[in-house]
Amino acid sequence: DTGVSQDPRHKITKRGQNVTFRCDPISEHNRLYWYRQTLGQGPEFLTYFQNEAQLEKSRLLSDRFSAERPKGSFSTLEIQRTEQGDSAMYLCASSSRLAGRYEQYFGPGTRLTVT
Amino acid sequence: EDQVTQSPEALRLQEGESSSLNCSYTVSGLRGLFWYRQDPGKGPEFLFTLYSAGEEKEKERLKATLTKKESFLHITAPKPEDSATYLCAVPGVGGGSNYKLTFGKGTLLTVNP
Repeated sequence: DTGVSQDPRHKITKRGQNVTFRCDPISEHNRLYWYRQTLGQGPEFLTYFQNEAQLEKSRLLSDRFSAERPKGSFSTLEIQRTEQGDSAMYLCASSSRLAGRYEQYFGPGTRLTVT
Repeated sequence: EDQVTQSPEALRLQEGESSSLNCSYTVSGLRGLFWYRQDPGKGPEFLFTLYSAGEEKEKERLKATLTKKESFLHITAPKPEDSATYLCAVPGVGGGSNYKLTFGKGTLLTVNP
């Protein structure tokens, strides 16, 4: 059973550039989540998909951020015109389609550094 | 708004010295409380789900318990490899927030040999 995978693991970019991250969830999971984590903090929710539908977005997700899950499988998170404040670990998680099962399984994360 | 508070922020133990971590929450209609372990530079690793007051779960040297207001993660005779940040989280309540997890800031546990 493969877990959640994320690519790339690390990304260094200059301010103003666009970046895109990919997440592949556990194969039988239909829910997929993006979180952001900064040093010394717990993960903060960004957005969530059920199959291909994006059902909720946090107010943390400014208009520079966009997420897609076109075929209900993998997902991408794009950040346009990156700012230094976007530097963080971006985590993807997935959870089961079974009713009442809320636990989420996380990938290894993508560490973004904006210089 | 859901609140999750963990204490202490950091805990340093000697190998074999048992202790407990605390997670208190303010959420109505709890749909579960989750404990995760996070090693530096890695994603959180799922440990336990607790659904109702009085429930307990165990895994190796870890035991998680739940009351109506808080959860404890008991660590018995810890080893250096138990060193990590331990996070607790609760899912949201109502509408589209059902599946959004709210995390505490975590407890950084260091176990010295």
